[in-house]
Amino acid sequence: DGGITQSPKYLFRKEGQNVTLSCEQNLNHDAMYWYRQDPGQGLRLIYYSQIVNDFQKGDIAEGYSVSREKKESFPLTVTSAQKNPTAFYLCASSIAAGGPDTQYFGPGTRLTVL
Amino acid sequence: AQKVTQAQTEISVVEKEDVTLDCVYETRDTTYYLFWYKQPPSGELVFLIRRNSFDEQNEISGRYSWNFQKSTSSFNFTITASQVVDSAVYFCALGRPGYSTLTFGKGTMLLVSP
Repeated sequence: DGGITQSPKYLFRKEGQNVTLSCEQNLNHDAMYWYRQDPGQGLRLIYYSQIVNDFQKGDIAEGYSVSREKKESFPLTVTSAQKNPTAFYLCASSIAAGGPDTQYFGPGTRLTVL
Repeated sequence: AQKVTQAQTEISVVEKEDVTLDCVYETRDTTYYLFWYKQPPSGELVFLIRRNSFDEQNEISGRYSWNFQKSTSSFNFTITASQVVDSAVYFCALGRPGYSTLTFGKGTMLLVSP
């Protein structure tokens, strides 16, 4: 089955620690995205990548970092510089860059900072 | 600048009622794309529809229908004979040619009671 997987589903972190969220897709999509969702809020774009080894900042990139070493993978690191990291994180992918093509989403990771 | 407004934060209906979710968009582009996504309690966003600005025909898919009106910059979504399984947050999104990113509204939470 083709799709997007995110792991873990729930993640707990102590303040001051970095944590990496995984996102893998086997849809052969070129573009991948990370969004943050807070209660009652829409989706806010953190980072996106249209091709391997390249990525761009979204609206709220501060305190986050990403890498795109493989087409299938786009991990997101939430650093200790992110002031309020508790949120629901969604990864998405779309067929090609320069769309807008339909974005398909993973199941999400809920991060809680203790 | 692109903007999507979903003025209805939350809607509650009783099963079998019809319900319309509003979406108003702002763009300076003559060509653009509109999307609707459903986010059930599990968290994953599910793609429902993608329309381009040149296709103003209304769309019907089972109990779902979409009304695209360029004159009022609206792309409203109607669920006929709602069911409990329709309970979710629904997002409207706007995209522009040449850009892979989408602008999302804040979403409308629909609660369908038995």
